[in-house]
Amino acid sequence: KQEVTQIPAALSVPEGENLVLNCSFTDSAIYNLQWFRQDPGKGLTSLLLIQSSQREQTSGRLNASLDKSSGRSTLYIAASQPGDSATYLCAVKRTYKYIFGTGTRLKVLA
Amino acid sequence: DAGVIQSPRHEVTEMGQEVTLRCKPISGHNSLFWYRQTMMRGLELLIYFNNNVPIDDSGMPEDRFSAKMPNASFSTLKIQPSEPRDSAVYFCASTPLSSSPGEQYFGPGTRLTVT
Repeated sequence: KQEVTQIPAALSVPEGENLVLNCSFTDSAIYNLQWFRQDPGKGLTSLLLIQSSQREQTSGRLNASLDKSSGRSTLYIAASQPGDSATYLCAVKRTYKYIFGTGTRLKVLA
Repeated sequence: DAGVIQSPRHEVTEMGQEVTLRCKPISGHNSLFWYRQTMMRGLELLIYFNNNVPIDDSGMPEDRFSAKMPNASFSTLKIQPSEPRDSAVYFCASTPLSSSPGEQYFGPGTRLTVT
Protein backbone atom coordinates (compact mmCIF):
# COMPACT_ATOMS: atom_id res chain seq x y z
CA LYS A 1 0.00 0.00 0.00
CA GLN A 2 1.38 3.34 -1.07
CA GLU A 3 2.11 5.78 1.74
CA VAL A 4 3.18 9.37 1.22
CA THR A 5 4.91 11.36 3.95
CA GLN A 6 5.81 15.02 4.01
CA ILE A 7 8.41 16.53 6.29
CA PRO A 8 8.36 18.97 7.96
CA ALA A 9 4.69 19.31 8.84
CA ALA A 10 5.14 23.03 9.40
CA LEU A 11 7.84 25.53 8.58
CA SER A 12 8.31 29.20 9.38
CA VAL A 13 11.07 31.16 7.65
CA PRO A 14 12.05 34.79 7.13
CA GLU A 15 11.47 36.33 3.74
CA GLY A 16 14.23 35.77 1.20
CA GLU A 17 15.31 32.35 2.38
CA ASN A 18 15.69 29.42 0.03
CA LEU A 19 13.86 26.39 1.34
CA VAL A 20 13.26 22.71 0.65
CA LEU A 21 10.11 20.72 1.26
CA ASN A 22 10.34 16.95 1.32
CA CYS A 23 8.02 14.22 0.12
CA SER A 24 8.68 10.51 0.44
CA PHE A 25 6.69 7.55 -0.86
CA THR A 26 6.93 3.83 -0.22
CA ASP A 27 6.13 2.35 -3.65
CA SER A 28 8.34 3.50 -6.53
CA ALA A 29 5.95 2.22 -9.24
CA ILE A 30 4.34 5.58 -9.97
CA TYR A 31 3.12 7.36 -13.11
CA ASN A 32 3.94 10.82 -11.87
CA LEU A 33 4.30 13.04 -8.85
CA GLN A 34 2.47 16.33 -8.54
CA TRP A 35 3.07 19.23 -6.16
CA PHE A 36 0.09 21.35 -5.14
CA ARG A 37 -0.40 24.55 -3.21
CA GLN A 38 -3.43 25.07 -1.00
CA ASP A 39 -4.32 28.45 0.47
CA PRO A 40 -6.56 28.55 3.57
CA GLY A 41 -10.16 27.86 2.67
CA LYS A 42 -9.31 27.27 -0.99
CA GLY A 43 -8.87 24.38 -3.38
CA LEU A 44 -5.63 22.85 -4.58
CA THR A 45 -3.59 24.54 -7.28
CA SER A 46 -1.16 22.46 -9.29
CA LEU A 47 2.41 23.77 -9.15
CA LEU A 48 4.55 21.18 -10.87
CA LEU A 49 4.07 17.74 -12.40
CA ILE A 50 7.01 15.37 -12.78
CA GLN A 51 6.53 12.34 -15.00
CA SER A 52 8.03 9.07 -13.77
CA SER A 53 10.70 9.27 -16.47
CA GLN A 54 11.77 12.77 -15.48
CA ARG A 55 14.19 13.94 -12.83
CA GLU A 56 13.02 17.48 -12.28
CA GLN A 57 10.70 20.28 -13.33
CA THR A 58 11.07 24.02 -12.92
CA SER A 59 8.61 26.87 -12.89
CA GLY A 60 9.84 30.31 -11.92
CA ARG A 61 11.24 30.16 -8.40
CA LEU A 62 10.07 26.58 -7.94
CA ASN A 63 12.05 23.47 -8.73
CA ALA A 64 10.85 19.95 -8.03
CA SER A 65 13.03 16.87 -8.23
CA LEU A 66 12.14 13.20 -8.29
CA ASP A 67 14.21 10.20 -7.29
CA LYS A 68 12.00 7.17 -7.82
CA SER A 69 14.55 4.63 -6.66
CA SER A 70 14.77 6.21 -3.24
CA GLY A 71 11.09 7.18 -3.14
CA ARG A 72 11.75 10.88 -2.68
CA SER A 73 10.82 14.22 -4.13
CA THR A 74 11.83 17.69 -3.06
CA LEU A 75 10.26 21.05 -3.79
CA TYR A 76 12.78 23.86 -3.76
CA ILE A 77 11.51 27.42 -3.35
CA ALA A 78 14.05 30.14 -4.08
CA ALA A 79 13.98 33.57 -2.48
CA SER A 80 10.81 32.93 -0.52
CA GLN A 81 8.15 35.66 -0.24
CA PRO A 82 5.23 36.20 2.15
CA GLY A 83 2.92 35.33 -0.74
CA ASP A 84 4.37 31.82 -0.73
CA SER A 85 2.69 31.16 2.62
CA ALA A 86 0.35 28.21 2.11
CA THR A 87 0.15 24.47 2.59
CA TYR A 88 2.11 22.44 0.05
CA LEU A 89 0.96 18.92 -0.80
CA CYS A 90 2.58 16.26 -2.89
CA ALA A 91 0.64 13.46 -4.56
CA VAL A 92 1.84 10.34 -6.35
CA LYS A 93 -0.16 8.71 -9.10
CA ARG A 94 -0.33 5.00 -9.80
CA THR A 95 -2.89 3.80 -12.34
CA TYR A 96 -5.78 6.22 -11.78
CA LYS A 97 -5.28 6.88 -8.09
CA TYR A 98 -3.55 9.85 -6.53
CA ILE A 99 -2.24 9.33 -3.01
CA PHE A 100 -1.69 12.55 -1.13
CA GLY A 101 0.73 13.45 1.61
CA THR A 102 -0.49 15.35 4.66
CA GLY A 103 1.22 18.54 3.57
CA THR A 104 3.74 21.06 4.82
CA ARG A 105 2.31 24.29 6.20
CA LEU A 106 4.66 27.10 5.20
CA LYS A 107 4.73 30.58 6.67
CA VAL A 108 7.10 33.17 5.22
CA LEU A 109 7.60 36.13 7.52
CA ALA A 110 7.99 39.64 6.12
CA ASP B 1 -12.22 27.22 -19.50
CA ALA B 2 -13.75 28.06 -16.13
CA GLY B 3 -12.05 25.13 -14.44
CA VAL B 4 -13.81 22.62 -12.22
CA ILE B 5 -16.98 24.15 -10.77
CA GLN B 6 -18.51 23.09 -7.49
CA SER B 7 -21.68 24.17 -5.73
CA PRO B 8 -22.59 25.17 -3.18
CA ARG B 9 -19.37 26.61 -1.76
CA HIS B 10 -20.69 26.39 1.77
CA GLU B 11 -23.41 24.23 3.21
CA VAL B 12 -24.69 24.22 6.78
CA THR B 13 -27.31 21.65 7.63
CA GLU B 14 -28.77 19.83 10.59
CA MET B 15 -28.07 16.24 11.41
CA GLY B 16 -30.40 13.89 9.56
CA GLN B 17 -30.92 16.14 6.57
CA GLU B 18 -30.03 15.19 3.01
CA VAL B 19 -27.10 17.02 1.44
CA THR B 20 -26.30 17.15 -2.27
CA LEU B 21 -23.00 18.47 -3.56
CA ARG B 22 -22.52 19.24 -7.24
CA CYS B 23 -19.59 19.25 -9.61
CA LYS B 24 -18.99 20.24 -13.20
CA PRO B 25 -15.64 18.92 -14.50
CA ILE B 26 -13.50 20.61 -17.10
CA SER B 27 -14.90 20.05 -20.57
CA GLY B 28 -13.13 17.17 -22.32
CA HIS B 29 -11.93 15.54 -19.10
CA ASN B 30 -13.23 12.02 -18.77
CA SER B 31 -12.05 11.19 -15.24
CA LEU B 32 -13.70 12.65 -12.16
CA PHE B 33 -12.77 12.26 -8.52
CA TRP B 34 -14.54 13.16 -5.27
CA TYR B 35 -12.33 13.78 -2.24
CA ARG B 36 -12.95 14.67 1.37
CA GLN B 37 -10.48 16.73 3.39
CA THR B 38 -10.35 16.92 7.17
CA MET B 39 -7.68 18.01 9.60
CA MET B 40 -7.46 14.54 11.08
CA ARG B 41 -7.35 12.44 7.92
CA GLY B 42 -6.08 14.81 5.25
CA LEU B 43 -7.29 14.33 1.68
CA GLU B 44 -9.13 11.06 1.07
CA LEU B 45 -10.43 9.71 -2.22
CA LEU B 46 -14.12 8.85 -1.97
CA ILE B 47 -15.00 7.75 -5.48
CA TYR B 48 -13.58 7.78 -8.99
CA PHE B 49 -15.52 7.89 -12.27
CA ASN B 50 -14.14 7.14 -15.71
CA ASN B 51 -16.33 8.01 -18.72
CA ASN B 52 -19.25 8.56 -16.31
CA VAL B 53 -18.92 5.04 -14.85
CA PRO B 54 -17.99 4.56 -11.18
CA ILE B 55 -14.76 2.56 -11.15
CA ASP B 56 -13.69 2.69 -7.54
CA ASP B 57 -16.01 3.59 -4.67
CA SER B 58 -14.00 1.85 -1.99
CA GLY B 59 -13.41 5.17 -0.26
CA MET B 60 -17.08 5.94 0.27
CA PRO B 61 -17.46 5.83 4.06
CA GLU B 62 -20.79 4.03 4.27
CA ASP B 63 -24.14 3.56 2.63
CA ARG B 64 -25.22 7.05 3.58
CA PHE B 65 -22.95 8.32 0.83
CA SER B 66 -23.81 7.94 -2.85
CA ALA B 67 -22.48 9.52 -6.03
CA LYS B 68 -23.72 9.75 -9.58
CA MET B 69 -22.44 10.99 -12.88
CA PRO B 70 -25.39 11.08 -15.30
CA ASN B 71 -23.33 12.70 -18.06
CA ALA B 72 -19.84 13.92 -18.84
CA SER B 73 -20.46 17.40 -17.49
CA PHE B 74 -22.15 16.79 -14.14
CA SER B 75 -21.71 14.76 -10.98
CA THR B 76 -23.36 14.74 -7.57
CA LEU B 77 -22.33 13.48 -4.16
CA LYS B 78 -25.23 12.86 -1.81
CA ILE B 79 -25.22 12.24 1.91
CA GLN B 80 -28.45 10.94 3.42
CA PRO B 81 -28.86 11.20 6.35
CA SER B 82 -26.04 13.56 7.23
CA GLU B 83 -24.16 13.33 10.54
CA PRO B 84 -21.85 15.80 12.36
CA ARG B 85 -18.82 13.61 11.55
CA ASP B 86 -19.46 14.27 7.86
CA SER B 87 -18.38 17.88 8.38
CA ALA B 88 -15.42 18.44 6.05
CA VAL B 89 -14.41 20.10 2.80
CA TYR B 90 -15.44 18.06 -0.22
CA PHE B 91 -13.45 18.50 -3.40
CA CYS B 92 -14.15 17.44 -6.94
CA ALA B 93 -11.26 17.01 -9.39
CA SER B 94 -10.92 15.98 -13.02
CA THR B 95 -8.18 14.76 -15.34
CA PRO B 96 -8.09 14.38 -19.12
CA LEU B 97 -7.60 10.62 -19.23
CA SER B 98 -7.46 8.08 -16.41
CA SER B 99 -4.52 6.23 -17.87
CA SER B 100 -2.46 9.23 -18.79
CA PRO B 101 0.08 10.79 -16.48
CA GLY B 102 -1.72 14.09 -16.76
CA GLU B 103 -2.42 16.73 -14.20
CA GLN B 104 -5.32 16.66 -11.82
CA TYR B 105 -7.41 19.82 -11.60
CA PHE B 106 -9.34 20.65 -8.45
CA GLY B 107 -12.48 22.62 -7.84
CA PRO B 108 -12.70 25.19 -5.04
CA GLY B 109 -14.45 22.73 -2.72
CA THR B 110 -17.66 22.69 -0.70
CA ARG B 111 -17.32 23.31 3.02
CA LEU B 112 -19.97 21.18 4.73
CA THR B 113 -20.97 21.74 8.34
CA VAL B 114 -23.45 19.36 9.91
CA THR B 115 -24.79 20.51 13.28
